Amino acid sequence: NAGVTQTPKFQVLKTGQSMTLQCAQDMNHEYMSWYRQDPGMGLRLIHYSVGAGITDQGEVPNGYNVSRSTTEDFPLRLLSAAPSQTSVYFCASRAGDRVGGYTFGSGTRLTVV
Amino acid sequence: SQKIEQNSEALNIQEGKTATLTCNYTNYSPAYLQWYRQDPGRGPVFLLLIRENEKEKRKERLKVTFDTTLKQSLFHITASQPADSATYLCALPLGGGYNKLIFGAGTRLAVHP
Repeated sequence: NAGVTQTPKFQVLKTGQSMTLQCAQDMNHEYMSWYRQDPGMGLRLIHYSVGAGITDQGEVPNGYNVSRSTTEDFPLRLLSAAPSQTSVYFCASRAGDRVGGYTFGSGTRLTVV
Repeated sequence: SQKIEQNSEALNIQEGKTATLTCNYTNYSPAYLQWYRQDPGRGPVFLLLIRENEKEKRKERLKVTFDTTLKQSLFHITASQPADSATYLCALPLGGGYNKLIFGAGTRLAVHP
């Protein structure tokens, strides 16, 4: 049981490049979310999904796109990377049948130069 | 707008003492509150959830209180150990669907031998 798997662990992008951060969970969780974590600002919610085919915006969605075609996968796309998107990105999931805690991945450290 | 506040200063305590961390929130009434632990370079790990109708919840050496009048949660670690050193985050659901979980910036705890 791998839990929540994020790839890559580290990435350096040039301004204007695009990329996709991958997130997969094998717990059959309905709810999935993407967060970014910056020093002194804690975790901020980017986008979230309550099931396959359903996504919605969080606190800081600009510059990011998501889709949820399967229960397992929830990729985060950066359309045109900017230095302000330098951050650590976490994907998280939880079961939808009850209120409970999220299981987090180990994170992707992204640097945009 | 809704806001979560945690003490940004690190909390330093001696081994064996009780650590108490505070989480305050404003401008909304969450149905529950969660606490997470985060170690450097890792994703947060869920510890406890307390509902609005629960005054206190315990798990081993952990105790959480939830005062909806004061809009405050206290997180206690009794008989603290150096292994308890980490950053502790509180989180609350935003919105009626409880799918948007937002986090405080966290408080770093250092337990000294």
